[in-house]
Amino acid sequence: DIVMTQSPESLAVSLGERATINCKSSQSVLYSSNNKNYLAWYQQKSGQPPKLLIYWASTRQSGVPDRFSGSGSGTDFTLTISSLQAEDVAVYYCQQYYSPLMYTFGQGTKLEI
Amino acid sequence: EVQLVESGGGLVQPGGSLRLSCAASGFIFSNFWMHWVRQGPGKGLVWVSRINSDGSSTTYADSVKGRFTISRDNAKNTLYLQMNSLRAEDTAVYYCAREGWQISTFDIWGQGTMVTVSS
Repeated sequence: DIVMTQSPESLAVSLGERATINCKSSQSVLYSSNNKNYLAWYQQKSGQPPKLLIYWASTRQSGVPDRFSGSGSGTDFTLTISSLQAEDVAVYYCQQYYSPLMYTFGQGTKLEI
Repeated sequence: EVQLVESGGGLVQPGGSLRLSCAASGFIFSNFWMHWVRQGPGKGLVWVSRINSDGSSTTYADSVKGRFTISRDNAKNTLYLQMNSLRAEDTAVYYCAREGWQISTFDIWGQGTMVTVSS
């Protein structure tokens, strides 16, 4: 199984400041035939289901504010929130979908103000 | 509006069974692969199972293989999860999720249904 490890486990950032969350996979999630990284980021607010933010490691889902961005390739990935807003308080998960027999999520990063 | 609505959760004794349903609306259900993902109390997300668009192919996490069965009725726009031989560690909120067209991951999620396995 591909293990996804996020850091930090929790993070406190001031309003308007940048937040950075890291995700490392135990093996590469870059599919060489199409040069795509099978890596997604989700936001889960308290009491709500997860919401897709980013897929293919850096493609923003429709309707997601452009302060959210994803980067990285292979085994190391980053979710950046450029200017934190109050509504961004949530738990953030990375997820690999390279291995279709076993999709796996990171353990989550709790983002607070 | 694109929507997924789960139902069927509840309290069940260890060793018991439960069937979850997920009603889809606002999109052509039969065109999409579907998944179940669960989240234990205070814990992270764990993928459970997936089914392809016509129901001919299914995949399961090792932790539920042989106990859970995913299925779908495209005429009723409904996804199912039959859960047998339930264990305390199956206690979780169960979400159904749609695999987005050409993005291979979960773009629409239901609100979830709680399953509690306890005597």
